[in-house]
Amino acid sequence: DSGVTQTPKHLITATGQRVTLRCSPRSGDLSVYWYQQSLDQGLQFLIQYYNGEERAKGNILERFSAQQFPDLHSELNLSSLELGDSALYFCASAPGTGSYEQYFGPGTRLTVT
Amino acid sequence: GQSLEQPSEVTAVEGAIVQINCTYQTSGFYGLSWYQQHDGGAPTFLSYNALDGLEETGRFSSFLSRSDSYGYLLLQELQMKDSASYFCAVKEDSNYQLIWGAGTKLIIKP
Repeated sequence: DSGVTQTPKHLITATGQRVTLRCSPRSGDLSVYWYQQSLDQGLQFLIQYYNGEERAKGNILERFSAQQFPDLHSELNLSSLELGDSALYFCASAPGTGSYEQYFGPGTRLTVT
Repeated sequence: GQSLEQPSEVTAVEGAIVQINCTYQTSGFYGLSWYQQHDGGAPTFLSYNALDGLEETGRFSSFLSRSDSYGYLLLQELQMKDSASYFCAVKEDSNYQLIWGAGTKLIIKP
């Protein structure tokens, strides 16, 4: 158990809908990273927040947005969902901004039908 | 541009030794991390190399050659539970996120 929690574990929704994924980092960690992993693919970095501020942006679509709240939990919002958005979404946390060791949550499996 | 290259798949026999290579091309370099991910699971951190040489942690070792922009993960005395995907990731800057390779699927046969 990494200490990072993600909810929900599974999510099934229809195309065009909007969903919110939630992540609570390990106690004391200030950075939260979001990743997308499609079936049998690598990890695609989406976005990083550090202590409430956006720190780095990766291959995140304009339909996706995220934020980190004062209590350091983070939410990833996915809108106008398409079939191709079906994937595992992981969040990871770390103490600092450029940690080489990240602690991953169990992931949210999103299925868009 | 930035790129990390790993073999997509490696097959080995239980009890043997296997090496998973990673070559990188990045604008900066602080160190190389390795992560393990079992099917359906979350990635977990294995090791980090910032300096040239071999780092050993039990059955797993990781090597780095900064001059060759190359590293590898060495797994000894392979067990069936080592069947997983292994990702290398470069820490490019002191304050940036990791740059990830596409992962190597390790298949272990009895």
